[in-house]
Amino acid sequence: SQQGEEDPQALSIQEGENATMNCSYKTSINNLQWYRQNSGRGLVHLILIRSNEREKHSGRLRVTLDTSKKSSSLLITASRAADTASYFCATSQTAGNQFYFGTGTSLTVIP
Amino acid sequence: GAVVSQHPSRVICKSGTSVKIECRSLDFQATTMFWYRQFPKKSLMLMATSNEGSKATYEQGVEKDKFLINHASLTLSTLTVTSAHPEDSSFYICSARPGTSGRGEQFFGPGTRLTVL
Repeated sequence: SQQGEEDPQALSIQEGENATMNCSYKTSINNLQWYRQNSGRGLVHLILIRSNEREKHSGRLRVTLDTSKKSSSLLITASRAADTASYFCATSQTAGNQFYFGTGTSLTVIP
Repeated sequence: GAVVSQHPSRVICKSGTSVKIECRSLDFQATTMFWYRQFPKKSLMLMATSNEGSKATYEQGVEKDKFLINHASLTLSTLTVTSAHPEDSSFYICSARPGTSGRGEQFFGPGTRLTVL
């Protein structure tokens, strides 16, 4: 299976704290993307980072990529209750081709 | 941003019946669409890659005769779950890649929840 793994599987924090989620994958990649999913809903694209990039920011999101370790992290700063969702990383070996999703992290932000 | 729709959003059927799920790209042409399934509290598993005008490519372990995929136009792909059984109950999500996108973007539909009684 090409599915990656994420840790932690579940994370519970207080509003205002930072949340960090990690993703490890198995093969070489062209890009890695992070998505969020509210319970029973579709996916919302958060950020894409290419294999030649090491860090990317978007608002309160910061993503890092370490291709030597085949891992990525997603940091959400100053979390809000509305950030409560499941977060998935997805890797693609070639641009525009299949995504393989990680196992996901369930984040709960307590108001 | 680009919009992908799925229909129906929810379907309940009896065991043994077939169910068709549609995935449409509303404001762009999608040369490639992807189908995923997701079990409760689990991740998305890629089922197949659907290319317009050609046969779908199935991931290992996915029965092509069970999950029929048709990508007849640049804006529509369909997934038919044939002779559905309770173990086919799942959340099915499609995604579409714009034909002009060289950036690897995919846009996801809102999903279809299938319950087989």
